[in-house]
Amino acid sequence: DFQMTQSPSTLSASVGDTVTITCRAGQNTGDYLAWYQQKPGKAPKLLISRSSSLEFGVPSRFSGSGSGTEFSLTITSLQPDDFATYYCQQYSSYSALAFGGGTKLEIK
Amino acid sequence: EVQLVQSGAEVKKPGESLKISCKGSGYSFTSFWIGWARQMPGKGLEWMGIIYPADSDTKYSPSFQGQVTISADKSVSTAYLQWSSLKTSDTAMYYCARVSHHGNFPFAYWGQGTLVTVSS
Repeated sequence: DFQMTQSPSTLSASVGDTVTITCRAGQNTGDYLAWYQQKPGKAPKLLISRSSSLEFGVPSRFSGSGSGTEFSLTITSLQPDDFATYYCQQYSSYSALAFGGGTKLEIK
Repeated sequence: EVQLVQSGAEVKKPGESLKISCKGSGYSFTSFWIGWARQMPGKGLEWMGIIYPADSDTKYSPSFQGQVTISADKSVSTAYLQWSSLKTSDTAMYYCARVSHHGNFPFAYWGQGTLVTVSS
């Protein structure tokens, strides 16, 4: 299995804060790394593809970076709508698609 | 508009079989990879497998190989996820998802989810 390790698993922050979530791949995934946001009872929403490319309509306070095995998602000036669970996913090979374990972003 | 509409919630007993569906519309169904993810109660997302409807090329996550079958019917633009013998541990929400573009891309389109409950 292609392992994806996210940290932290839980993150407490306040509106207006800047937070960073990290994702480590067990193998080199190039920049084929996506970030998703999921709210309770809803399907995931794609935020970022190719490590740093924002999907249409995603606010610019979201940004991604990294390549190879180390990636990060940064959210600046947190808004109430941003409190959710975030997942990374490698898609360098469709034979080895894998999600990270998730990071729950909670209001402090 | 691309839409993925999944079949409704299911309640089954251990040992029973089940096939859930995901109907695509608003695009050429055979042209894009479509896959399935599991989310057990209170847990994270797990990728199960993916299929290319044009030729039914299917790739399974090692954790799910042999445990489920993914298929697609081009004539009705529908992908399926099936079990031959359910376990209580199969209780979960199941999502289908389609890649955003041709080539190597992540999953921009998601179904609403199908809740499967397996209980004696």
